[in-house]
Amino acid sequence: SQKIEQNSEALNIQEGKTATLTCNYTNYSPAYLQWYRQDPGRGPVFLLLIRENEKEKRKERLKVTFDTTLKQSLFHITASQPADSATYLCALVFSGGYNKLIFGAGTRLAVHP
Amino acid sequence: GAVVSQHPSRVICKSGTSVKIECRSLDFQATTMFWYRQFPKQSLMLMATSNEGSKATYEQGVEKDKFLINHASLTLSTLTVTSAHPEDSSFYICSAPPVAGGNTEAFFGQGTRLTVV
Repeated sequence: SQKIEQNSEALNIQEGKTATLTCNYTNYSPAYLQWYRQDPGRGPVFLLLIRENEKEKRKERLKVTFDTTLKQSLFHITASQPADSATYLCALVFSGGYNKLIFGAGTRLAVHP
Repeated sequence: GAVVSQHPSRVICKSGTSVKIECRSLDFQATTMFWYRQFPKQSLMLMATSNEGSKATYEQGVEKDKFLINHASLTLSTLTVTSAHPEDSSFYICSAPPVAGGNTEAFFGQGTRLTVV
């Protein structure tokens, strides 16, 4: 069966440290992988996307890697801040049709001062 | 970026009544909208794809007669939960999908918290 797995346990880290979140998938061959941030009671907000032929993408304090052999993406937040506390969702995008996004359940990150 | 406005943000209704949720694209035209449902601590589950000028496409297991979707114009898509029951209580979110082959982001509404009592 097709699955997308993200750490179900909350990730607690100290301010200033690097947070690393994992997204693993099976039986999919996505064209793109996207990461979103979701705050409680709000819709997701886009952060980064990476194509299947890209290994790494960066944006300010954010970095995403994509290993299509391992079927895994890692999402890093460097110099983390309490304001980074949220749930982070990975989403697989399949080209063609309506470009559907298939989401993982998300990992809740808590950055402590 | 594009703005998707969703209303209401919260609604409480009695069991057996119907609730309409609106999703508007404010600064762009959306021929397609996705509707998701999210239960606490779970993933966004795609319910259906609304298409302007034609019938919606529903995902497997989603009752089309219960979740009525209308895409009346290029800027408005609506989801009506008919004869709502407590198990329909959830967080509903609309989204304009990525364009250009998926090489862009999806834009989400603020979400609607539905509570059926």
